[in-house]
Amino acid sequence: DSGVTQTPKHLITATGQRVTLRCSPRSGDLSVYWYQQSLDQGLQFLIQYYNGEERAKGNILERFSAQQFPDLHSELNLSSLELGDSALYFCASSPRTGGGANVLTFGAGSRLTVL
Amino acid sequence: GIQVEQSPPDLILQEGANSTLRCNFSDSVNNLQWFHQNPWGQLINLFYIPSGTKQNGRLSATTVATERYSLLYISSSQTTDSGVYFCAVLSTDSWGKFQFGAGTQVVVTP
Repeated sequence: DSGVTQTPKHLITATGQRVTLRCSPRSGDLSVYWYQQSLDQGLQFLIQYYNGEERAKGNILERFSAQQFPDLHSELNLSSLELGDSALYFCASSPRTGGGANVLTFGAGSRLTVL
Repeated sequence: GIQVEQSPPDLILQEGANSTLRCNFSDSVNNLQWFHQNPWGQLINLFYIPSGTKQNGRLSATTVATERYSLLYISSSQTTDSGVYFCAVLSTDSWGKFQFGAGTQVVVTP
């Protein structure tokens, strides 16, 4: 157990629907990162939050949004889902933002299947 | 943005063999990490190594930041080493966009 909790582990839904993925960071970590991994693809950076504020943004679609709450958990909202959104969505956490000894710890991922 | 290239893309090893995986990056970094994604999809942090050399059991890593590359060594490989190895870097002008390479797929056969 890495200490980063992601729910749900698996999710099957239909095109056009909306889903919410949840992430609880490791105790003491203030940064949360979201990554998308499509089949046989690498890890695509979506967005990072630090202590409730957005700090870095990748190629996140307008249909996707995220936030980090005061208790530091984060949610990734995916709407108007398309077949191509089927992927493994990872959350990672780290103690701080920026460089230095800022080590990423990943959750087990949420596997989204859009039919 | 920073570019990260990993080589080779695929590697097939016989149990007991040694191997070297490479990660090249296009800009200055202040954070570099190696990860192993096992066949069940779990991502495990192997090393935080922005510079210098570290060892952990049969694995070791070296980063030469001035020449913009890092190497991951696997010695006496075991079937449990199978999976995909990723390096991730954070450029000095970024707060949190860790850029991952495409990975090296390693298969260790008995």
